[in-house]
Formats: sequence, structure tokens, C-alpha cells
Amino acid sequence: QITLKESGPTLVKPTQTLTLTCTFSGFSLSTSGVGVGWIRQPPGKALEWLALIYWDDDKRYSPSLKSRLTITKDTSKNQVVLTMTNMDPVDTATYYCAHRLLWWNWFDPWGQGTLVTVSS
Amino acid sequence: EIVLTQSPGTLSLSPGERATLSCRASQSVSSSYLAWYQQKPGQAPRLLIYGASSRATGIPDRFSGSGSGTDFTLTISRLEPEDFAVYYCQQYGSSPTFGQGTKVEIK
Repeated sequence: QITLKESGPTLVKPTQTLTLTCTFSGFSLSTSGVGVGWIRQPPGKALEWLALIYWDDDKRYSPSLKSRLTITKDTSKNQVVLTMTNMDPVDTATYYCAHRLLWWNWFDPWGQGTLVTVSS
Repeated sequence: EIVLTQSPGTLSLSPGERATLSCRASQSVSSSYLAWYQQKPGQAPRLLIYGASSRATGIPDRFSGSGSGTDFTLTISRLEPEDFAVYYCQQYGSSPTFGQGTKVEIK
């Protein structure tokens, strides 16, 4: 059974850097074809894909947020870390991580999500 | 970037009725790249349909997907109480994008 869980701060101040961790089980990021992505959802709004990392350390980013995002993996800890710089109140959202296989064009399953509020 | 537009924004129906949700893409999308998710309040999205028409594991057969090119449809043949939720379509081109969602509410 694949599970993912997001962790990180619930509150960050504007201009700060957000660091979120996705801890997963039931698969390995050293297995060919495996990937983990991050998606966010502002309160009451739609989903927005942010970043993806694959078993071979290939990384993909949302074009609109690429300059602010960094995604890394720690295979030994079964973790993926997302950092987002220069946080703004508009970045207030629930942040999800999700599992993907290279030959899938979808995400499944998803973590429960973590709400991050950006406020001074 | 491919923009997905879902309609209607809200669908008010009664249990037992048929729900038809639309997802229109700003440019042609391969059917294999189109998925649908269900999201209930306070929960993460759940995969319903992939490849435009294939049901994910454990999804009841009252859910069906169809379409091609720029027009895709999610149909719920007979609404059950647990089907009232928000539904999102998603395409996986060069960058994944999601529609803005359709809320299916109880009339």
C-alpha cells in the first residue's frame, strides 16, 4: 500500500522560504519510473501543479513558479523536499505530494495535504 | 500551457439523477493524457478516471469518462449520496494542469 504524508510549518512570514517534506512508504524512489510530485490548492480554489522529481533525479517545475522552487529527494529516508522562496500571502494553500509513474499521466495516490498560511 | 475549462461551475442535482460534467481544453489533448479526480471537503483528491475513459481501481461503474481532442466528459449515471463533491479534470502535456472544478451539490 502506497502512502504519502506532508509535513512542514503551518505559518510562514512573507519573504521567508518554505520547506516542505513528503515522507512516503510502499514504494522506493530508487525504482525505475517512480516519481513524486507537489500540487497546491489555495482555500476554495483549484489545484496547481508545482514540481516533480523522478528516480533518476530528473526534475520538472511549473514554468510560472520555476524561479522560486527547488525539489530534492533523499532515497534513504523515503523523502522528497520542496522549497519555495520569497513566500507571499497568495501562496497560502494546502500543499499535497502525490505518487506518479513515468508512464502514467496522472497522480495516484495523494497525501492528506498540509495547510500553509503566509502572514506577518 | 494548456488551459482546461470545466462547466458548469456548480451542478445541483438530486440523488439518483444523472450528472454530466464537461472539461474543455484550449488545445487538443491526447486521450491518454486526461484524468478526472473527486475531492470531498477536507480530503485530498482521489483519482477516478485516467486515459479519459478508464476507471481507477475501486471506482464504481456508475462513473464513466469519454471524449477526445478538446472535449471530455465525466458522467455519473445515478448519483449516490457520497458522490456529492468537487470534480477536477487534469491533463498531462508538457506541464500538468487542472481545470477549475465542478461542484456537484445536492438540490
